[in-house]
Amino acid sequence: SQQGEEDPQALSIQEGENATMNCSYKTSINNLQWYRQNSGRGLVHLILIRSNEREKHSGRLRVTLDTSKKSSSLLITASRAADTASYFCATEHGFQKLVFGTGTRLLVSP
Amino acid sequence: EAGVVQSPRYKIIEKKQPVAFWCNPISGHNTLYWYLQNLGQGPELLIRYENEEAVDDSQLPKDRFSAERLKGVDSTLKIQPAELGDSAVYLCASSPGTPNTEAFFGQGTRLTVV
Repeated sequence: SQQGEEDPQALSIQEGENATMNCSYKTSINNLQWYRQNSGRGLVHLILIRSNEREKHSGRLRVTLDTSKKSSSLLITASRAADTASYFCATEHGFQKLVFGTGTRLLVSP
Repeated sequence: EAGVVQSPRYKIIEKKQPVAFWCNPISGHNTLYWYLQNLGQGPELLIRYENEEAVDDSQLPKDRFSAERLKGVDSTLKIQPAELGDSAVYLCASSPGTPNTEAFFGQGTRLTVV
């Protein structure tokens, strides 16, 4: 079963534009993580935000977390063709229980 | 440092045959996960180990799936007998087992049951 739902399911933008994807979840969490998956490959960790944090930055990535609404957003600024991938949010519950969302497929066109 | 290593990368078997996947986690990582990922979907947890103990196997179909993690290091996931619906990518991941740490994933094993 999957905890999170991501929105939109697919997103198509031009290079240089910003991409925003959202994640909603159902139960309380320790942290929320975002992962990227290129076609046919394993998942790569992007960023982790703890339940007591509201915003976090890493390079061109900005993540927000609203625990009252049980939602998070991932913003990728100045997108590049190399950002084309699927993006998944994952929520940690209890100790080390990591549950993934349904994913957003991002296509960045040159 | 080597990452999480899975083998084989690809496997094609006939239905009703057995199949096994192997995972070598990052050295020192206490937590090991097996996930199943269907095409276009997010990974779904099958089983999670803390050292050699399976602490969460509620989503593992125990009638045909089994897993073990001997000595708390390498792990194998077995399906016997395989069904057509088992075709998917099987992902292994590991993490240090400390709070608020990321998981590291292997490349996965793509299983096709024909």
